[in-house]
Amino acid sequence: QVQLVQSGAEMKKPGASVQVSCKASGYTFTSFGISWVRQAPGQGLEWMGWINAYSGKTNYAQKFQGRASMTTDTSTSTVYMELRSLRSDDTAIYYCARDYSGWGPEDYWGQGSLVTVSS
Amino acid sequence: QSVLTQPPSVSGAPGQRVTMSCTGSRSNIGAGYDVNWYQQLPGAVPKLLINANSNRPSGVPDRFSGSKSGASASLAITGLQAEDEAAYYCQSFDRSLSGVVFGGGTKLTVL
Repeated sequence: QVQLVQSGAEMKKPGASVQVSCKASGYTFTSFGISWVRQAPGQGLEWMGWINAYSGKTNYAQKFQGRASMTTDTSTSTVYMELRSLRSDDTAIYYCARDYSGWGPEDYWGQGSLVTVSS
Repeated sequence: QSVLTQPPSVSGAPGQRVTMSCTGSRSNIGAGYDVNWYQQLPGAVPKLLINANSNRPSGVPDRFSGSKSGASASLAITGLQAEDEAAYYCQSFDRSLSGVVFGGGTKLTVL
């Protein structure tokens, strides 16, 4: 069965960086892409970007261009998302989700990784 | 402010039918891009409910249906059940933004 397992919760100070990992199993990793979606406390879903798990080609939401980086490691079927220059409003649950094309839909989701940014 | 507009809340009694809307523009839904819907139960991970405007993934009850017309889409739930109480999000692709966009979400309350 398709599974996306994410890394654990992180607590960071403003200005720091965070890296969240997403390990895929149960399907051919290189045949699909991975999207990252975040959800601030009590708020809605926000798409951050997408990476082609095979080629590493990325498409970032304009809001995150220059501050987010997504990478893929085909040897471990793992995708990474790094967010730099963290601010308090980056506090959110970060989800990875499988997305074939980068246009949606996200058909399988990871369990989420809580990132808390606080001084 | 979300690119796709959803009503903040809807409600209905058990057994009733409810609908919720998702309004976009000529750069997303109106441009012909598919609409997908997600259900997020309280404290849970979002789940794909409807893809490609009206298709139900395996395991989704046929009480849930989706439709699209012009620059808008709708999600309908018939035979409302207490377990349907959740937030529902629509999603599409926006060609001006060159990325995926979500609606702000609709909170469904089962009375």
